[in-house]
Amino acid sequence: KAGVTQTPRYLIKTRGQQVTLSCSPISGHRSVSWYQQTPGQGLQFLFEYFSETQRNKGNFPGRFSGRQFSNSRSEMNVSTLELGDSALYLCASSLLGQGTIDYGYTFGSGTRLTVV
Amino acid sequence: AQKVTQAQTEISVVEKEDVTLDCVYETRDTTYYLFWYKQPPSGELVFLIRRNSFDEQNEISGRYSWNFQKSTSSFNFTITASQVVDSAVYFCALSEEETSGSRLTFGEGTQLTVNP
Repeated sequence: KAGVTQTPRYLIKTRGQQVTLSCSPISGHRSVSWYQQTPGQGLQFLFEYFSETQRNKGNFPGRFSGRQFSNSRSEMNVSTLELGDSALYLCASSLLGQGTIDYGYTFGSGTRLTVV
Repeated sequence: AQKVTQAQTEISVVEKEDVTLDCVYETRDTTYYLFWYKQPPSGELVFLIRRNSFDEQNEISGRYSWNFQKSTSSFNFTITASQVVDSAVYFCALSEEETSGSRLTFGEGTQLTVNP
């Protein structure tokens, strides 16, 4: 079956602009999580969506937002981009997420965002 | 608060050597999950293993083995007879069922280089 698909693969934006990243989970998976990876901060949790509702949120400013659609596809939006937002953004999908026997997360290849 | 520490930043070995990657975690939850992921240069995080806090049985899978010890809060990962294709960044991660739910807290990662 198809894995987790993230688009676009690479993105270059100018400071102050906004950007939307997309993630299509594995078919049947209802949980989608987003992570930011930078050389300085490592891998950090942004938020998780389950059945179109945000279920968990990390410590990021309000410029970072997301949503999930009825088909479980998720989008992440960053407004008023800053140079420090340059990172690899990874999406992970899971069948049910927390508190279940199936507790594995499958990651996509990520979107590499560069802010100039 | 949860924390994962991977003290080894970089490890370099020669092909066919055995290598152990260390992981130490901190948590107050009694139910938690530990993971190892591999990140090749392509960027995708590849799932290797998941263990829950009630399962201390160590496992061997091919060239991979894991040593989970709750008494020392360690979850170490060993590759026997390493190969060049094992070169990647390896991440240890923790998820707490009660406190952080679906959120994965990652260690800093260990860059493994296997030289021919």
